[in-house]
Amino acid sequence: DVKVTQSSRYLVKRTGEKVFLECVQDMDHENMFWYRQDPGLGLRLIYFSYDVKMKEKGDIPEGYSVSREKKERFSLILESASTNQTSMYLCASSYGLAGISVGSYNEQFFGPGTRLTVL
Amino acid sequence: KQEVTQIPAALSVPEGENLVLNCSFTDSAIYNLQWFRQDPGKGLTSLLLIQSSQREQTSGRLNASLDKSSGRSTLYIAASQPGDSATYLCAVGGRGTASKLTFGTGTRLQVTL
Repeated sequence: DVKVTQSSRYLVKRTGEKVFLECVQDMDHENMFWYRQDPGLGLRLIYFSYDVKMKEKGDIPEGYSVSREKKERFSLILESASTNQTSMYLCASSYGLAGISVGSYNEQFFGPGTRLTVL
Repeated sequence: KQEVTQIPAALSVPEGENLVLNCSFTDSAIYNLQWFRQDPGKGLTSLLLIQSSQREQTSGRLNASLDKSSGRSTLYIAASQPGDSATYLCAVGGRGTASKLTFGTGTRLQVTL
């Protein structure tokens, strides 16, 4: 089974702190994603990565950065946390290449989520 | 820009009933469509993936269909059980790098005894 793990289930931080959220997958997936989930807004993509050291902005990248130094690990960084970044953060990974639409290519598997509260 | 809509937003049914959840999307140029289940406070569990060349996928009591031309997908749950109570999310995979998903806001299902 695919396993995606996230470093913390719950996290409480202060405004202005630098926050690191870690995600690890054990299935040698090329693609990794960071989403946030808010009531009424659904899941929104923050950043994704399709290879080591490669990243692309999603729909709401402002206030966030990411790092992917190893294939299995994808980190989300809040440079200076703000109260409007209080949210549920979800990491996902998938096996696949652009343009491939067969079998289980590009099926996304999610981690358990990190509930971040910024005070 | 792709938009995904799920109707109804909430549904309550008695145990044993068969039910259908609906998902519609505005841009038919998709690579795949994925159905997820989410329990309160938890991550998403992948239920079914339908590639753009397929019309349906089945897993146990679940059957998902895809009609790209009309921009619709349905998730059929047979013989519902209280353990099926959860939020069900539909997500459409777009063309391009990594087949990024656009999510609907979900249908919250409650199956009562």
